[in-house]
Amino acid sequence: DAMVIQNPRYQVTQFGKPVTLSCSQTLNHNVMYWYQQKSSQAPKLLFHYYDKDFNNEADTPDNFQSRRPNTSFCFLDIRSPGLGDAAMYLCATSRDTGKQETQYFGPGTRLLVL
Amino acid sequence: AQSVAQPEDQVNVAEGNPLTVKCTYSVSGNPYLFWYVQYPNRGLQFLLKYITGDNLVKGSYGFEAEFNKSQTSFHLKKPSALVSDSALYFCAVRAGVGGYQKVTFGTGTKLQVIP
Repeated sequence: DAMVIQNPRYQVTQFGKPVTLSCSQTLNHNVMYWYQQKSSQAPKLLFHYYDKDFNNEADTPDNFQSRRPNTSFCFLDIRSPGLGDAAMYLCATSRDTGKQETQYFGPGTRLLVL
Repeated sequence: AQSVAQPEDQVNVAEGNPLTVKCTYSVSGNPYLFWYVQYPNRGLQFLLKYITGDNLVKGSYGFEAEFNKSQTSFHLKKPSALVSDSALYFCAVRAGVGGYQKVTFGTGTKLQVIP
């Protein structure tokens, strides 16, 4: 089945130690998103890629970076994780950026910062 | 600016009874409205969306939602709740004129279906 895959499902890192979360999709969608979600709150958009064009949200900290080497893969890099970065990170895709487009989410990666 | 309100943090309903999860929105222009469900430690799953046309939208797992423009609401409904429907439900909106508009999610409503 076509889907959005996130690895790992659970990630433990140390304070200040760089960490990378990965997302892949078999939907061949143009757009990939990264969201941060803390304890059952609304997901917060960090950034998105339309194809290779990177779009950062204005309030996303510089500590968060992203890479999209090809259509299928997108990575979230946290350069120096702080305790406040512990959260669920959700990857999502959509075919396009039109307002009617549905976003399809992966299962998420839960990040724990020690 | 666009916004979504889910006025209830939690909704409790007995199994077999009808359920309603409320959502109201505020946008400029025509709204595109979505409902997602999230089970514990999982990503969001798409349930249904309203783009245009019929105000009653049918979605996955027997859920439906009614778009009411005058009340700016998009409440999620199901005629007969199942215990397995217990989860966190998010309403979302996308609107605005021209350009890219990100999705705005509500704060979520926890649905508890009691056996």
